[in-house]
Amino acid sequence: RKEVEQDPGPFNVPEGATVAFNCTYSNSASQSFFWYRQDCRKEPKLLMSVYSSGNEDGRFTAQLNRASQYISLLIRDSKLSDSATYLCVVNPLTGGGNKLTFGTGTQLKVEL
Amino acid sequence: NAGVTQTPKFQVLKTGQSMTLQCAQDMNHNSMYWYRQDPGMGLRLIYYSASEGTTDKGEVPNGYNVSRLNKREFSLRLESAAPSQTSVYFCATKPGQVNQPQHFGDGTRLSIL
Repeated sequence: RKEVEQDPGPFNVPEGATVAFNCTYSNSASQSFFWYRQDCRKEPKLLMSVYSSGNEDGRFTAQLNRASQYISLLIRDSKLSDSATYLCVVNPLTGGGNKLTFGTGTQLKVEL
Repeated sequence: NAGVTQTPKFQVLKTGQSMTLQCAQDMNHNSMYWYRQDPGMGLRLIYYSASEGTTDKGEVPNGYNVSRLNKREFSLRLESAAPSQTSVYFCATKPGQVNQPQHFGDGTRLSIL
């Protein structure tokens, strides 16, 4: 089983739609969780951290379910500019807590 | 504030040539990382340096060497480039605290003919 698993997509949604991505992780000792966004041929950029109580940043909401070992990202009112690959990232606390594990990403395409 | 700077941005090499990719950060972060990203493969960790003076292998270290020159700089060397090393290389940094994210440079696109 991969350490971090994501549905690769692509998710094709119309502008204005709500879309949700899930990500599962295998190491129950994992502590820190993040969502990154990566545009084509660009570097990954931090979208948001994921906190135990869930957190929201504008149109984006992140949730953590420790019991089921998954995190989710909800995007409301999708914009064309949201088209990108979304990477789920987990700190499994191996390597002294310095190594993050990246999922392979979920591709989102927002269409007119 | 430059953040994480990678040089060069693009490079074409011939098989067997050597080259060093440079990464420098002004974020005062303890940890630095080198990843490669190939189509459909996601990010794969080559080497990382948890702090100045230490380096450790990642998932795909073969064919690469690294040097943590000081807190700011972490270089990746290809001693004898192979076509299989054609990829996009990203450097990243991270503060020492466990719950902090990584920050990436904008990448080096390397082609080996």
